[in-house]
Amino acid sequence: DSGVTQTPKHLITATGQRVTLRCSPRSGDLSVYWYQQSLDQGLQFLIQYYNGEERAKGNILERFSAQQFPDLHSELNLSSLELGDSALYFCASSPSGTLSNEQFFGPGTRLTVL
Amino acid sequence: AQSVAQPEDQVNVAEGNPLTVKCTYSVSGNPYLFWYVQYPNRGLQFLLKYITGDNLVKGSYGFEAEFNKSQTSFHLKKPSALVSDSALYFCAVRPDYGGSQGNLIFGKGTKLSVKP
Repeated sequence: DSGVTQTPKHLITATGQRVTLRCSPRSGDLSVYWYQQSLDQGLQFLIQYYNGEERAKGNILERFSAQQFPDLHSELNLSSLELGDSALYFCASSPSGTLSNEQFFGPGTRLTVL
Repeated sequence: AQSVAQPEDQVNVAEGNPLTVKCTYSVSGNPYLFWYVQYPNRGLQFLLKYITGDNLVKGSYGFEAEFNKSQTSFHLKKPSALVSDSALYFCAVRPDYGGSQGNLIFGKGTKLSVKP
């Protein structure tokens, strides 16, 4: 158990809908990262927050957004969902954004868009 | 561009034999390299990392990795494979963008299959 929790574990929804994925980092970790894992794209970095502020953006679509709250938990919002958004979404956390810190991954949320 | 390559989609090994999972990287500046393992329906688990210093890095579950700067490689190794090592292995690099930007760039993953 990494100490990172993600809810829900599974999510099934329809095209055009909006969903929110939630992540609670390990106690004391300030950095939260979101990744998308799909068969065709592999593991792709989406976005990083550090102590409530956006720190880095990766291949995140404009339909997607995220935020980190004062208690350091984070939410990833996916809107106008398309079939291609079906994937496993991981949240990871680390104590800071320091390059030497390893990231600890949550169990993931499996999103299925029908 | 920063990238990681895992040239083998799958590696098959007999239990008790040594295993190697290959990884090469391309990054400007000093490389920060990581190996993660993913078991079915689970998140990624950290195995080991190279930051600086000794080129041979030891990690969890008896795994080790050798950093080779001239060949830009960071191959994962284990002297004696176990059936329970069967999983998906990811190599990752963390580019130095400065500040606290710390995202990982992952390879495509290598499926390790250890047969009894």
